[in-house]
Amino acid sequence: GENVEQHPSTLSVQEGDSAVIKCTYSDSASNYFPWYKQELGKRPQLIIDIRSNVGEKKDQRIAVTLNKTAKHFSLHITETQPEDSAVYFCAAMTTDSWGKLQFGAGTQVVVTP
Amino acid sequence: EAGVTQFPSHSVIEKGQTVTLRCDPISGHDNLYWYRRVMGKEIKFLLHFVKESKQDESGMPNNRFLAERTGGTYSTLKVQPAELEDSGVYFCASSRQGVGELFFGEGSRLTVL
Repeated sequence: GENVEQHPSTLSVQEGDSAVIKCTYSDSASNYFPWYKQELGKRPQLIIDIRSNVGEKKDQRIAVTLNKTAKHFSLHITETQPEDSAVYFCAAMTTDSWGKLQFGAGTQVVVTP
Repeated sequence: EAGVTQFPSHSVIEKGQTVTLRCDPISGHDNLYWYRRVMGKEIKFLLHFVKESKQDESGMPNNRFLAERTGGTYSTLKVQPAELEDSGVYFCASSRQGVGELFFGEGSRLTVL
């Protein structure tokens, strides 16, 4: 089955700096890669996703890159703000098994003013 | 539009007791999923309902766990008898028919003493 590894487990950045979270996956059949943000005590929310036919996707200050050959994908947050502090989860899935997400262990991001 | 709601938000029980968790998906969402996060590890898939039918229950840990979705609306997840290792946060998610975004609930935290 699919195995997703996520690094780092914790990340502390100064406000205004960039944050990068990296994930690797094992199943070459995976073709959908969402990222979820979970603020303390709240629900995980989808912030960006990418499909395997795309190498990069941006949405304002966040971007995701995908390297299918190396089986890794990354989340980039630029100009970090205190409200970016949260746990971020990467995940992988095959669209044939929609909804059966394999998550990484999560990255606790702390943005200090 | 109301989001995915879960009840209770936190349950503390003793080993050997029974607990029932409830999930109300977003109205009109045929797909309902259960996930759990144990001990700060990754969020793991438990099972997937399409309406009232179990589409995939490959993630259910053992026969102490029973999920139902009578009438294709809300779902319950019963743990009987509960063991210490069942402690964690149980998340429910729902999505529209097809390949729609998964919307998560805030989770039900289960503590087994």
